[in-house]
Amino acid sequence: EAQVTQNPRYLITVTGKKLTVTCSQNMNHEYMSWYRQDPGLGLRQIYYSMNVEVTDKGDVPEGYKVSRKEKRNFPLILESPSPNQTSLYFCASSLSSLFNSPLHFGNGTRLTVT
Amino acid sequence: GEDVEQSLFLSVREGDSSVINCTYTDSSSTYLYWYKQEPGAGLQLLTYIFSNMDMKQDQRLTVLLNKKDKHLSLRIADTQTGDSAIYFCAETFTGGGNKLTFGTGTQLKVEL
Repeated sequence: EAQVTQNPRYLITVTGKKLTVTCSQNMNHEYMSWYRQDPGLGLRQIYYSMNVEVTDKGDVPEGYKVSRKEKRNFPLILESPSPNQTSLYFCASSLSSLFNSPLHFGNGTRLTVT
Repeated sequence: GEDVEQSLFLSVREGDSSVINCTYTDSSSTYLYWYKQEPGAGLQLLTYIFSNMDMKQDQRLTVLLNKKDKHLSLRIADTQTGDSAIYFCAETFTGGGNKLTFGTGTQLKVEL
């Protein structure tokens, strides 16, 4: 089944403890992206990647890192999480970076930083 | 910059039509999308429309685009309880690649 898989689904951590949220897609998609969803703000893009070894900042990249060493994986790294990074995170992928290539979303990771 | 707005809540009776509205500011929009989010789930792509189209119909869903007024709507015919969810409109725009700019989402509640 074609899908975008994120892990974990739920994560509670403490301020400053490094964490990684994994994302994997099995559709051979070139483009991958991370969004965060906050009440009243919709979804905002954190980082995106147009292909292997090519990543770039989205609208809210502060406090996050990403890597794209392989086509299928696009982990999101929080080196020193803070409470304002408590949010619902979504990974998404599409066949290409062209604007007519619909994004497919994972089921989300709910992160709480205390 | 680009901005996309939606009303926060909509309540309808089962069997009625629902109309969810969205306005956007960026005149260089290329594609406009509707996504559905059910509780605890990711975003499911419902439909999308190219910015030079006025209307697109897909079974119970009708998308209307008024490019002059920068207004997008999603009509759901014969609304069912399973349609209860949050609906997001989103746009891509010239020069933005595949970046989606999302609205804040409309919570649709379908009552019996």
